[in-house]
Amino acid sequence: NAGVTQTPKFQVLKTGQSMTLQCAQDMNHEYMSWYRQDPGMGLRLIHYSVGAGITDQGEVPNGYNVSRSTTEDFPLRLLSAAPSQTSVYFCASSRQFRSGANVLTFGAGSRLTVL
Amino acid sequence: AQTVTQSQPEMSVQEAETVTLSCTYDTSESDYYLFWYKQPPSRQMILVIRQEAYKQQNATENRFSVNFQKAAKSFSLKISDSQLGDAAMYFCAYRSRGGGADGLTFGKGTHLIIQP
Repeated sequence: NAGVTQTPKFQVLKTGQSMTLQCAQDMNHEYMSWYRQDPGMGLRLIHYSVGAGITDQGEVPNGYNVSRSTTEDFPLRLLSAAPSQTSVYFCASSRQFRSGANVLTFGAGSRLTVL
Repeated sequence: AQTVTQSQPEMSVQEAETVTLSCTYDTSESDYYLFWYKQPPSRQMILVIRQEAYKQQNATENRFSVNFQKAAKSFSLKISDSQLGDAAMYFCAYRSRGGGADGLTFGKGTHLIIQP
């Protein structure tokens, strides 16, 4: 199994550009989420989805958009990139969101730099 | 809302020695899960160990064990016989027993250095 696959691994953008970080999982997981990791801040939740067609905001949603048209895919869109969005982004999924016992499986991360 | 605090930004230990990483958390819930994740330079988040709050017995995974003090809301990670491959960022994390759509709440991490 591939697990959680994120693309691209690295990206450099200019301020104002848009882009999409892709996330795909092949484990038939119900729950998918996006985190950002900044130095000294740990990981913070951006958006999440509890199933196809259902998304909601996390702790730091501003400047990001998500959709969940299939169980497998959960792309994260930056509509107009800003330097404050320079970060490492992680996609994570788990089988069911209703049980805390279900461990989150993380992708390898995507490093985004906005100039 | 829950909070997780890791008070040690960086720790250093000699190879083969034992090191303990601290984590405290704040919650009004009585049942939950606690996790330690390891993040090596590759950036991959790797689950080290998991503790269920309703279990009094401390979780262990080979050289990794936890000291879970529910009343004190403390969840420390002990690494025995430290190895060079243990060098990484370590994150403590909390998740409600009911899961919840808000996923994991993370601490800010502890950078563990292993001295050869």
